[in-house]
Parts: sequence; C-alpha cells; structure tokens
Amino acid sequence: EAGVVQSPRYKIIEKKQPVAFWCNPISGHNTLYWYRQNLGQGPELLIRYENEEAVDDSQLPKDRFSAERLKGVDSTLKIQPAELGDSAVYLCASSPGLAGRQETQYFGPGTRLLVL
Amino acid sequence: DAKTTQPNSMESNEEEPVHLPCNHSTISGTDYIHWYRQLPSQGPEYVIHGLTSNVNNRMASLAIAEDRKSSTLILHRATLRDAAVYYCTPLSNFGNEKLTFGTGTRLTIIP
Repeated sequence: EAGVVQSPRYKIIEKKQPVAFWCNPISGHNTLYWYRQNLGQGPELLIRYENEEAVDDSQLPKDRFSAERLKGVDSTLKIQPAELGDSAVYLCASSPGLAGRQETQYFGPGTRLLVL
Repeated sequence: DAKTTQPNSMESNEEEPVHLPCNHSTISGTDYIHWYRQLPSQGPEYVIHGLTSNVNNRMASLAIAEDRKSSTLILHRATLRDAAVYYCTPLSNFGNEKLTFGTGTRLTIIP
C-alpha cells in the first residue's frame, strides 16, 4: 500500500513569491493534517481536515497561508507571499478518521522549503 | 494542552537496551501517551501508545508510571537504524485529536 505522497520534495523560492505544496493521503483516510517543522523543533499542526471540512485551522496564519481539500482526498497548502521565516519542512499526514479512536497518523516525507 | 519534557539527546551502544524517558505531569486522565520517531530526512513514524498499562509491540515497549506523570520508551536491542529523534506526545481520546510534539530526544547509536 502506498504511503502519504507529497510533492515537491524540495522548493527554493525568493521572498514574496507564491508557493504551493501538494499531498495525496493514504487511500481511504478521511483525516488529513498539515504540519510545519522548523529546524530543530518538532512538527506543529497548521490545519486538520475531516473529509473536506477544515475542523482545526487555529494555527494557520491566514493572512498568507491557505489550504484546500477538494473532494476530500488530495490537499494543497499555499503560501502567498512567502517570507524568510517560512523556511521549514511542511509535512502532510493522514489517519483513517474514526472518531473517538486512538489513531495512528501516517506522515509523508515532507517538502523542504527554502525562502531566499 | 499537556506539556511534555524529554532529554535533548541520548547515546546508546548498538545491541544494548535503550530507555527513553518522558515527563508529562500535567496529562489529563483521558489522554493517551503516543510515541513517534523521526529518522533523518523523513516524516515522523508511529512507534507505540498506551493509557495506563505497559504496552509491547514489535518495535518497542512502553512503561507508564502508576501516577501517569511519566513514561519510558524501551528499545530492547538498539540497532543503527534506531538512530532518530523520538517524540512523546499526549493525545486526547475525546474531541480535538491533536498531536503536540516537543523538541524530542535525539538518540545516537554507537556501533
């Protein structure tokens, strides 16, 4: 079974440019997460989807970040415009989405973003 | 959210057991303790989780203190492939299920 797929794996852009990350979760997983991981830190949740609905986006900087999960499968995370401080690894994860269960989250390899 | 405390780094010899501690003194009664690890240049991967009882799986064992204020991840026989950053994180069984990663413990395995 294929794991969580993310692309691109690496991205280098200049500040003020837009950038987008794509995630394809494990087939059948209803819950999808986007995390940001700064150097030397653990991942921090940006947004969580249950199917198409964003149920927790409290940590998403909404002035420049946006996300969507059309049809409740693939998801895209966008930054516009990017700032130097956005340099980080952006991780996507998915889980089956069974409410009230202690579910394992399956992470993709991440997209490493460098903003110059 | 419950706060966790882990040592920044640990070293262990290959083929020796490793005990990775985690303090979570503010954990609520319904929070499980999850452990994930992150190998270099990869996303985190699940290791084990538990509530009150000690747990075993093919990767590791989890020993949870009786007062639930701390837990220990046990790798019974460390290999070079176990070199990673290990995170412990509480996870509520109700409502908003959100993993909260700290800085973790960087485990170095000495050949």
